[in-house]
Amino acid sequence: KNEVEQSPQNLTAQEGEFITINCSYSVGISALHWLQQHPGGGIVSLFMLSSGKKKHGRLIATINIQEKHSSLHITASHPRDSAVYICAVTGNQFYFGTGTSLTVIP
Amino acid sequence: GAGVSQSPRYKVAKRGQDVALRCDPISGHVSLFWYQQALGQGPEFLTYFQNEAQLDKSGLPSDRFFAERPEGSVSTLKIQRTQQEDSAVYLCASSLVGQGDTGELFFGEGSRLTVL
Repeated sequence: KNEVEQSPQNLTAQEGEFITINCSYSVGISALHWLQQHPGGGIVSLFMLSSGKKKHGRLIATINIQEKHSSLHITASHPRDSAVYICAVTGNQFYFGTGTSLTVIP
Repeated sequence: GAGVSQSPRYKVAKRGQDVALRCDPISGHVSLFWYQQALGQGPEFLTYFQNEAQLDKSGLPSDRFFAERPEGSVSTLKIQRTQQEDSAVYLCASSLVGQGDTGELFFGEGSRLTVL
């Protein structure tokens, strides 16, 4: 049973494209995290949100608590955005999605 | 240091050996988490500390896995009699606040364990 589901699992985009990664969860949460993991690298927290929408540069994260769904958007994608994007939720414990592997082609 | 520090970064062990992985969280962070990440998978929860108390160890896969945080700062994850299926990256994360509160997670670079 996966408490956090992400889609798609893999995504290839051309540079400049608008990208959306989706996350659905089945547990009660106090916060949702979007994390970025580069190949061979550590994990970096991109967003932590419990309602509404947040924006950092070209990245936008939204959450709908009623629908238990969040999306991560990347505008004007760039090859350096290539990474695994992981959705995680904080409830009684932390639950992680399996990640979305994004490749942006020049 | 400024971030979460883990050591060693890489460890190769022969099957049956014991290993110890260290996590030095951000100073003052209350919560500390250990995760196991197999190749191509997302992190899987192992255990959680709030200060020195181990509040949740439900994710530890067997009694060969043991974690401690005796003074509420540095934590050690010990794996006894390692098996090949223990090969993974072991990630440590810390958070300023206790679990259930909305604290941002800070991750270490991970310790990559390879069991031959």
